[in-house]
Amino acid sequence: DVKVTQSSRYLVKRTGEKVFLECVQDMDHENMFWYRQDPGLGLRLIYFSYDVKMKEKGDIPEGYSVSREKKERFSLILESASTNQTSMYLCASRRYRLAGGKNIQYFGAGTRLSVL
Amino acid sequence: GENVEQHPSTLSVQEGDSAVIKCTYSDSASNYFPWYKQELGKRPQLIIDIRSNVGEKKDQRIAVTLNKTAKHFSLHITETQPEDSAVYFCAARTGTASKLTFGTGTRLQVTL
Repeated sequence: DVKVTQSSRYLVKRTGEKVFLECVQDMDHENMFWYRQDPGLGLRLIYFSYDVKMKEKGDIPEGYSVSREKKERFSLILESASTNQTSMYLCASRRYRLAGGKNIQYFGAGTRLSVL
Repeated sequence: GENVEQHPSTLSVQEGDSAVIKCTYSDSASNYFPWYKQELGKRPQLIIDIRSNVGEKKDQRIAVTLNKTAKHFSLHITETQPEDSAVYFCAARTGTASKLTFGTGTRLQVTL
């Protein structure tokens, strides 16, 4: 069974703290993604990675960085957490496919981060 | 880049009625359109998808239609049931690009 695991379901941090959100997938997927989900704004892409040590900015990368040292693990880093980063964070992974192939994106259960 | 708009933001239907959610996209090169369902407190899961070389796809009570000329696609749920209550997201992907662009979501409430 497909599995994308996020290390924490709930996290409470203080403003200015460095925060690490971890995501692990066991499907040998090349592509991994970090989204944040806010009411009325849907799923917005923060960063993605299409292979080990590769990363690309998504639509809202400001205030975030990522790390992909191993294929199965993709970490989201908040260098100095701020209250406007309070949100639900979703990790996802997908196998690389050329156009035309079945290519399901699987999501983790999410981490609800509160920055006080 | 791609922009996906989704309407309505909330939808309430009675059990047994049909529900329709509509999305438009901006990039004519987009060729893959999945729909995800997210139940309360759970992760989004793919429920149906369609590629640009197909105009309609059906899976039991759900169907998706695509109009490439108008750049819009829709999700149709027939004979709605309480377990259909969830937030639904449409998305679009361009060519071989890795990323999906999501709509803002529709909260569907099926009432008894």
